[in-house]
Amino acid sequence: KNEVEQSPQNLTAQEGEFITINCSYSVGISALHWLQQHPGGGIVSLFMLSSGKKKHGRLIATINIQEKHSSLHITASHPRDSAVYICAVRETSGSRLTFGEGTQLTVNP
Amino acid sequence: DTGVSQDPRHKITKRGQNVTFRCDPISEHNRLYWYRQTLGQGPEFLTYFQNEAQLEKSRLLSDRFSAERPKGSFSTLEIQRTEQGDSAMYLCASSFPQGLYGYTFGSGTRLTVV
Repeated sequence: KNEVEQSPQNLTAQEGEFITINCSYSVGISALHWLQQHPGGGIVSLFMLSSGKKKHGRLIATINIQEKHSSLHITASHPRDSAVYICAVRETSGSRLTFGEGTQLTVNP
Repeated sequence: DTGVSQDPRHKITKRGQNVTFRCDPISEHNRLYWYRQTLGQGPEFLTYFQNEAQLEKSRLLSDRFSAERPKGSFSTLEIQRTEQGDSAMYLCASSFPQGLYGYTFGSGTRLTVV
């Protein structure tokens, strides 16, 4: 069992739909990150969370520390949101990140 | 500062050859990380530095892999006697200590071993 698990692995949506990607982890963490990766490999940091909820534009990220679960929501999805979304955690014992396998999101016009 | 730079972006090499990748982090960041990502998977940790000191190495980092950060600025990752299984995207990231304020990633070096 991976320390960080994401669901779903693949997600196809129609433009305008509300999207949720889930992340569960099994280790103690000091922070959780949501990242976006486009074809070609570059990774962009979307959110860093240690508690509660953060919002940036159409993106919302929440975390429940007790349940060891986080969600990334995209409101009013758009084809340009198509990318791989990756959840990663920084364990309390270290500095490096442990990554989930990513969720491939495709938003069709 | 334009972020984390990696060079080259792509590398095709024959099996058995040695390759070296370079990463230039954000200058204010004293931590530098190397990750490897294979197709359809999330990145996996390889090693990280604080300044010039290599503080942690993954068991994935076999004796064919070596990383350096000689002056605490740029870093190099060398793979000796490459194998087809080394084909992957090699990602570099940098941060302040403990990932404070988050991590900045480079665009990666895609290695193909033929």
